[in-house]
Amino acid sequence: DQQVKQNSPSLSVQEGRISILNCDYTNSMFDYFLWYKKYPAEGPTFLISISSIKDKNEDGRFTVFLNKSAKHLSLHIVPSQPGDSAVYFCAASWGSGNTPLVFGKGTRLSVIA
Amino acid sequence: GAGVSQSPRYKVTKRGQDVALRCDPISGHVSLYWYRQALGQGPEFLTYFNYEAQQDKSGLPNDRFSAERPEGSISTLTIQRTEQRDSAMYRCASSPAGYTEAFFGQGTRLTVV
Repeated sequence: DQQVKQNSPSLSVQEGRISILNCDYTNSMFDYFLWYKKYPAEGPTFLISISSIKDKNEDGRFTVFLNKSAKHLSLHIVPSQPGDSAVYFCAASWGSGNTPLVFGKGTRLSVIA
Repeated sequence: GAGVSQSPRYKVTKRGQDVALRCDPISGHVSLYWYRQALGQGPEFLTYFNYEAQQDKSGLPNDRFSAERPEGSISTLTIQRTEQRDSAMYRCASSPAGYTEAFFGQGTRLTVV
């Protein structure tokens, strides 16, 4: 069973608009959440993370929101740029570091100029 | 090196042969993780090490799979008597002490024919 779920396989957004990527998890032991971005023929690249003690973390155009009661997190990209077109993976972990990640299946984002 | 290095990048092998996949993590990184990624899926955990100690191998599919990191740096994932179902992208990642964020290599694409 999938502990981390990304229910939208793909998303298309106009350049300059907001992209919202969603992720749900089932394991209440998860206390750290991450987003990775992946371009074709490259490995996943860390983008942004959030600890379960927070409900929001912002880094430039990227903001991650965490709703623990709903076991839901989302990644907002504002404004979206064509270079943001990639596959985005949601991941979750537990403990205080140096523990493996559980990944979702990914959402392919296409930003249209 | 500057990033996580995996070799070979591509490996085609005949069914029944043994293969060894190598991962050279970022220098000084304590943790090293092995993941497997099927097409259209997220990375799936196989095993990980802190220094030279294998912490968790619960993700290894069966006893044909093994991994080692004898000196706490380079790691080798070995698959014995390969089968077609072993065909996938094998990804290695590493992280420094106290960090959950892991840095991925480009992966090894294994094809068993």
